[in-house]
Amino acid sequence: SQQGEEDPQALSIQEGENATMNCSYKTSINNLQWYRQNSGRGLVHLILIRSNEREKHSGRLRVTLDTSKKSSSLLITASRAADTASYFCATEEYGNKLVFGAGTILRVKS
Amino acid sequence: GAGVSQSPSNKVTEKGKDVELRCDPISGHTALYWYRQSLGQGLEFLIYFQGNSAPDKSGLPSDRFSAERTGGSVSTLTIQRTQQEDSAVYLCASSLAPSGMSYNEQFFGPGTRLTVL
Repeated sequence: SQQGEEDPQALSIQEGENATMNCSYKTSINNLQWYRQNSGRGLVHLILIRSNEREKHSGRLRVTLDTSKKSSSLLITASRAADTASYFCATEEYGNKLVFGAGTILRVKS
Repeated sequence: GAGVSQSPSNKVTEKGKDVELRCDPISGHTALYWYRQSLGQGLEFLIYFQGNSAPDKSGLPSDRFSAERTGGSVSTLTIQRTQQEDSAVYLCASSLAPSGMSYNEQFFGPGTRLTVL
């Protein structure tokens, strides 16, 4: 079963704009992770935020976590065409397995 | 490179046949995971190996699916009597150690695209 639900399902923006994707989940978690998947390529880990953290930055990425609302957001600033990909949130539960959402398809137009 | 490798990259089979998918994790990674990704969907957990512990098979969709990990390294996912609904990309990942509250990045292979005709 899917834990994370991403919103929106698809997002199309112009290069240079910011992109925001949201993720909601249902159960208690150890951490929440965001992954990127380019067409025809594997998943790449972007950033992890622990359950006791509220915000984390990595380059042009900013992730927030609100455990009271069981939600997270991923912000990509100053988007580039190369950011075009599917983005997945994944929650880590007991046993270390990741539970993924269905993903947000981001298209950055140049 | 030293990443996770999977073979074959593509597999086309006929309904009812058995298939074996292989995963070579990153050297030294004690944890290995299999996931399945159907078209346009997120990843679905299948099975998790950690060291010599009994694997977590809670995600396997039916008894036609099985996996083994030999010598704590290479893993094989076997699907018996394949069905059309088994068509998907099967992804393998490995990580250094179980996390608890510690960081646990999973490194993914490129996947095997399975098509059951």
